[in-house]
Amino acid sequence: KQEVTQIPAALSVPEGENLVLNCSFTDSAIYNLQWFRQDPGKGLTSLLLIQSSQREQTSGRLNASLDKSSGRSTLYIAASQPGDSATYLCAVNAGNEKLTFGTGTRLTIIP
Amino acid sequence: EAQVTQNPRYLITVTGKKLTVTCSQNMNHEYMSWYRQDPGLGLRQIYYSMNVEVTDKGDVPEGYKVSRKEKRNFPLILESPSPNQTSLYFCASTTGLAGRNEQFFGPGTRLTVL
Repeated sequence: KQEVTQIPAALSVPEGENLVLNCSFTDSAIYNLQWFRQDPGKGLTSLLLIQSSQREQTSGRLNASLDKSSGRSTLYIAASQPGDSATYLCAVNAGNEKLTFGTGTRLTIIP
Repeated sequence: EAQVTQNPRYLITVTGKKLTVTCSQNMNHEYMSWYRQDPGLGLRQIYYSMNVEVTDKGDVPEGYKVSRKEKRNFPLILESPSPNQTSLYFCASTTGLAGRNEQFFGPGTRLTVL
């Protein structure tokens, strides 16, 4: 059974710093991994989708990497801003469209 | 605008009173699913549908029903809600091309069962 872990559960950093969020999964037989952002009481906003054949994807200040063999993904946020404060979730897709989610990292950017 | 919509967004009800949460997508996606989100447990899949009239159980289907009579709609039905179904519910959709494509989520429905 696939298990997805995100550590730490919460993270606070000063504005302007670069930071890395971690995601690990137990079964490397995945089709893709998706990073989401969730604001309090709100829905999930897709940030980046990285296919199993890819090593990384970039969108603006965000960069996601994937090392399928070791079961790890990272989300790198450059030059953090207070508006980046949210919970970040990673989810893996084993090919049957069911996403297995981590429990998220709650990020706070301190102005 | 491509989107997944859910209604209602907030609902407070009492034990045993049947309710339906609607989900609709305008992207002609084949695959739709329902998740619930609970503190410390993350999001867990309740039911999914690969296409019209094709539905199947996810990880936590007990106490829920679904139907897929039209491609765009995938309602979640709670025949006799109980307090342990108090949760935040999300509907999602994708084209279902063997795990290649991005999944889109609705805004969520916060359900409280008293």
